Amino acid sequence: NAGVTQTPKFQVLKTGQSMTLQCAQDMNHEYMSWYRQDPGMGLRLIHYSVGAGITDQGEVPNGYNVSRSTTEDFPLRLLSAAPSQTSVYFCAVGGGAHQPQHFGDGTRLSIL
Amino acid sequence: QKEVEQDPGPLSVPEGAIVSLNCTYSNSAFQYFMWYRQYSRKGPELLMYTYSSGNKEDGRFTAQVDKSSKYISLFIRDSQPSDSATYLCAMSGDRDDKIIFGKGTRLHILP
Repeated sequence: NAGVTQTPKFQVLKTGQSMTLQCAQDMNHEYMSWYRQDPGMGLRLIHYSVGAGITDQGEVPNGYNVSRSTTEDFPLRLLSAAPSQTSVYFCAVGGGAHQPQHFGDGTRLSIL
Repeated sequence: QKEVEQDPGPLSVPEGAIVSLNCTYSNSAFQYFMWYRQYSRKGPELLMYTYSSGNKEDGRFTAQVDKSSKYISLFIRDSQPSDSATYLCAMSGDRDDKIIFGKGTRLHILP
């Protein structure tokens, strides 16, 4: 999806490892979000940011950290990976001020 | 009652048929309504974005909102195999920036 780039596309981790999922946008939008998508659970909001230096928790924030030092980037950090964090992670740009969100193509993460 | 309800399907229809996808919601404060299409191993892609009640048409797609019934629909005319995907409804209100998503309906268009 043009404008929102997520890396890596796939990752396998062992329990207890840490890693950072990257999200970069060229849409110059203030609002960015991280979701996880699991079968039967739909999209669940992890963390979001309304601008550089401002972040807040979503529905399922435990085990994840975020920071927003620039408008373009919004990395998601797994501090100590657990099998329950096996999921597909999507970064979204937009939302807020009644605007729709635009999604990246996701990072598929498996925790063994 | 869940905030947004959407039948997970799968829904299988023959090519060329009219498809109707629906969501119901409980929060009367929702004012903005969206439909996303998600292909396998891809992110959700915005299809339609509407405000309040009424219809909006874009090519073969029509979005319909009935706020009195708290019911939204997406119609696909002349359905094609390339329309096979998961369709997610989404909505938000005036006072809360967060977008609430349905869990998606899997659609299969049979050639």
